[in-house]
Amino acid sequence: GQQLNQSPQSMFIQEGEDVSMNCTSSSIFNTWLWYKQEPGEGPVLLIALYKAGELTSNGRLTAQFGITRKDSFLNISASIPSDVGIYFCAGSSIQGAQKLVFGQGTRLTINP
Amino acid sequence: EAQVTQNPRYLITVTGKKLTVTCSQNMNHEYMSWYRQDPGLGLRQIYYSMNVEVTDKGDVPEGYKVSRKEKRNFPLILESPSPNQTSLYFCASSYRINEKLFFGSGTQLSVL
Repeated sequence: GQQLNQSPQSMFIQEGEDVSMNCTSSSIFNTWLWYKQEPGEGPVLLIALYKAGELTSNGRLTAQFGITRKDSFLNISASIPSDVGIYFCAGSSIQGAQKLVFGQGTRLTINP
Repeated sequence: EAQVTQNPRYLITVTGKKLTVTCSQNMNHEYMSWYRQDPGLGLRQIYYSMNVEVTDKGDVPEGYKVSRKEKRNFPLILESPSPNQTSLYFCASSYRINEKLFFGSGTQLSVL
């Protein structure tokens, strides 16, 4: 099936640092979603993107739908301890069965 | 409160003993899906359902069955569990395919 490549797989940062992660696909996508999963819970939607070039913020989080429609980026500014978790990108391809496919996740660890 | 409820949260069983993980959503969503989450592999789709009585295989359907007799319920059935099905399972739903997915809290299954 379709695959997304998400990087980095893990990040170890200091509190207050900015964070960047991204996802790339070999297919053109028409939807990009970013989720966060905290320990013992299911993923929760952070940001949804539906248009190439779209830049959307949710508090300290900013995500962009790449203009090639094959990638997306998530940035977290001024990280705080509660940002710890696994971040997943998910996308839907216009060529596929319209199902969402998920990246492998980025595990974020923050040192206070 | 809008939610996806899956049970049980934790399950330990033995090889070959049939089990069912239940999933229910109260948002009148048409689309429901099951995922398994394994370290380094992200979320992989097992089965999905576009509506009542309409189900289809995801990327890793072997060893699993599902049914969708009612809109709100989408149980996952393991007829003869094996150790390689030890995993964290998530049920999810959305109003339509490729829209924002809402996830349950997960079921940690161990097959001995």
